[in-house]
Amino acid sequence: DAKTTQPNSMESNEEEPVHLPCNHSTISGTDYIHWYRQLPSQGPEYVIHGLTSNVNNRMASLAIAEDRKSSTLILHRATLRDAAVYYCILRDGYGGSQGNLIFGKGTKLSVKP
Amino acid sequence: DAGVIQSPRHEVTEMGQEVTLRCKPISGHDYLFWYRQTMMRGLELLIYFNNNVPIDDSGMPEDRFSAKMPNASFSTLKIQPSEPRDSAVYFCASSFPGAPYQETQYFGPGTRLLVL
Repeated sequence: DAKTTQPNSMESNEEEPVHLPCNHSTISGTDYIHWYRQLPSQGPEYVIHGLTSNVNNRMASLAIAEDRKSSTLILHRATLRDAAVYYCILRDGYGGSQGNLIFGKGTKLSVKP
Repeated sequence: DAGVIQSPRHEVTEMGQEVTLRCKPISGHDYLFWYRQTMMRGLELLIYFNNNVPIDDSGMPEDRFSAKMPNASFSTLKIQPSEPRDSAVYFCASSFPGAPYQETQYFGPGTRLLVL
């Protein structure tokens, strides 16, 4: 499976936008980019996913570079509740299996009031 | 919807004892996953089922671990005998088949296991 690289930690101020980067230089053409987050003492929860085009949902936006070697998760207005570990995960869209959610270390986001 | 339900939420046991963790997936989901999370190894997939059948158990650490899914609404993860290095948070997740490799996994709150 292709690997992702994320900063260990980031800080943000409440009500400001947050851009969480993810590098995946060895991504294949069929890999989907998924983001999950894990709030303290909770299980991971799905945030967003995409393949080539930028994606928006009620939680966040996902901006994917044209060469797909990197992506950015955008939280438009961070709240204290967004403090979590954010995981960028590649899902093999060719020959992979349902179970291939491989979590790295993620980025720990802190939000200051 | 109640989401994925796990029990117990916390378990403290002594080395050598049998431990059974339980999971009820979201109704209608036909994939069920067991994960383990530790500080050292992060989140790792142990095993997953499709339609109650184990598909991939390559992540199960050793023979002391076993998992079953007797029906669509219940699964167990058993450790016998337990060892201190099994101390971790164990998560159960479920999903239904959407577009391939785009399906979402829904995680339970986890069981925090401490083996003394």
